[in-house]
Amino acid sequence: AQTVTQSQPEMSVQEAETVTLSCTYDTSESNYYLFWYKQPPSRQMILVIRQEAYKQQNATENRFSVNFQKAAKSFSLKISDSQLGDTAMYFCAFMRPGTASKLTFGTGTRLQVTL
Amino acid sequence: SAVISQKPSRDICQRGTSLTIQCQVDSQVTMMFWYRQQPGQSLTLIATANQGSEATYESGFVIDKFPISRPNLTFSTLTVSNMSPEDSSIYLCSVLTSGSTDTQYFGPGTRLTVL
Repeated sequence: AQTVTQSQPEMSVQEAETVTLSCTYDTSESNYYLFWYKQPPSRQMILVIRQEAYKQQNATENRFSVNFQKAAKSFSLKISDSQLGDTAMYFCAFMRPGTASKLTFGTGTRLQVTL
Repeated sequence: SAVISQKPSRDICQRGTSLTIQCQVDSQVTMMFWYRQQPGQSLTLIATANQGSEATYESGFVIDKFPISRPNLTFSTLTVSNMSPEDSSIYLCSVLTSGSTDTQYFGPGTRLTVL
């Protein structure tokens, strides 16, 4: 079974600074998908970014980018120019194709952006 | 991505009663899922809602406790039956669309408190 580990329960960053959230996973598969979801206090789960394992290029979405290290099974999220609205829980998730699209989530990292 | 709504957004219920949560999507989707998020925890998949047939439940979840319906391609319900305080959680539905078969999009969630 796949496991997803987020070793940072809480992090804090000042507005306009850069922060990196860590995620590692365990799988024997060669093809899979990785995701970062954001859950603000409103509790809505919002897709931040996705990465396909067979693509070597790291995904980017505006201020959000990932550092995908397939051999190390690492998938970190970098948030640049942090904004107060980035304050939320961030969940890393894994999906293996052919498993009825089931997502396996990490335990989450609570990010606080301060003035 | 699809626009997903859930009703109710929150509720407070007495133990022993049941609550039905609705998930409505603004377009036809291929798959619908129901998740539970216990306080301070990550998301756990309850079941996959199958259109026109019985839902597929994950280990630890049973139909008698969490009956699910999906009468068409845009609507599903989850019932939490014979509730106890341990059922207090956020319940979220998610969908896969035909245009995005590998990325789940989530509804806003239903916050349930059982007294």
